Amino acid sequence: EAGVAQSPRYKIIEKRQSVAFWCNPISGHATLYWYQQILGQGPKLLIQFQNNGVVDDSQLPKDRFSAERLKGVDSTLKIQPAKLEDSAVYLCASSSRGLSSNEQFFGPGTRLTVL
Amino acid sequence: QKEVEQDPGPLSVPEGAIVSLNCTYSNSAFQYFMWYRQYSRKGPELLMYTYSSGNKEDGRFTAQVDKSSKYISLFIRDSQPSDSATYLCAMSAGQGAQKLVFGQGTRLTINP
Repeated sequence: EAGVAQSPRYKIIEKRQSVAFWCNPISGHATLYWYQQILGQGPKLLIQFQNNGVVDDSQLPKDRFSAERLKGVDSTLKIQPAKLEDSAVYLCASSSRGLSSNEQFFGPGTRLTVL
Repeated sequence: QKEVEQDPGPLSVPEGAIVSLNCTYSNSAFQYFMWYRQYSRKGPELLMYTYSSGNKEDGRFTAQVDKSSKYISLFIRDSQPSDSATYLCAMSAGQGAQKLVFGQGTRLTINP
């Protein structure tokens, strides 16, 4: 079974530029999450999708971050314009809808550096 | 106050030692408790999953939850150099596709 795929793996941009990250979840997983992990900290949930609908985006800085999950499969996360404090690893995770499962499967992440 | 507190370490122990990792939390609604392991430049992977209070053992790993004290632990017996990683505790209030709240992570090194 293929895992969660993310691209690019690394991105370096200057502040005020735009950037987009892509995620392909595990096949059949209805729930998709985007997390931000700042160096030395645990992941923080940015947005959660159930199929193509948003379940929780309470911690998404909506003035600069946006995310979509068209057709309920792949997802993109965009930052426009980027700030220095956006430097972090952006992790995508997916989970099945099973009631017994809290397990989230994580991708390798995209490491963003904002200069 | 953070919802989940975890000592970031770093923690360095000799091979074969017993390792104890801990988290405290403030939200009494948390019912599901997890430990994730994260190797350098990789995504976290689920190591242990526990519901409510009690112990759970899986090979060299034991997870303990004490809801009365809002305290969870992960013990690693006979630690190996391959256990060197960052360990993240995570919790959620509900079952299924629920928001996870993570601790800061403890960086662990097992020295041969």
